[in-house]
Amino acid sequence: TQLLEQSPQFLSIQEGENLTVYCNSSSVFSSLQWYRQEPGEGPVLLVTVVTGGEVKKLKRLTFQFGDARKDSSLHITAAQPGDTGLYLCAGAGAGGTSYGKLTFGQGTILTVHP
Amino acid sequence: DAGVIQSPRHEVTEMGQEVTLRCKPISGHNSLFWYRQTMMRGLELLIYFNNNVPIDDSGMPEDRFSAKMPNASFSTLKIQPSEPRDSAVYFCASREPTGETQYFGPGTRLLVL
Repeated sequence: TQLLEQSPQFLSIQEGENLTVYCNSSSVFSSLQWYRQEPGEGPVLLVTVVTGGEVKKLKRLTFQFGDARKDSSLHITAAQPGDTGLYLCAGAGAGGTSYGKLTFGQGTILTVHP
Repeated sequence: DAGVIQSPRHEVTEMGQEVTLRCKPISGHNSLFWYRQTMMRGLELLIYFNNNVPIDDSGMPEDRFSAKMPNASFSTLKIQPSEPRDSAVYFCASREPTGETQYFGPGTRLLVL
């Protein structure tokens, strides 16, 4: 069974601060996705990282995939209240019975105070 | 284009009653996923279909849960009989044939009293 551990579980910061969310596993994934979920809605994809060591930037968000494709991080620079939400990492199965499936981390609830 | 459509959006029922959740995937998508989300366990995959065929139902909690996909545009998740511990938000997601992105519906919030 592939498991993803996400940390921290809760994060409460002031507007303008930087933060990093981590996603770790002992399993290798073919790709890793980051989703953001707002209250009352389903998760929405932010980014997919595929190659070990890959770094992707989405405005103030920077996503990194570990060299061994087992871990990932999300860094937000100068957080804003609009960044508030639940952030989920999800690993795509590398093959066999895991193919086509996403394994989700527990999520990080981020609150950015004005 | 319409996204994934789920109904009902909210469901309150009593223990022992049958509950049916419905999902219409995005047109052209050939994979459909049912998830359950709770504070304690996070987002869990229950079952997924590819081309209307169930591929992996290892996440289905027990025999009280069943899912069907009679055609490419409709799927149901049924709980019979329902129990209070089934209370959760149930999401349906679909994916296009050549992609890895899953598109989630708005979810059904189920409360079993």
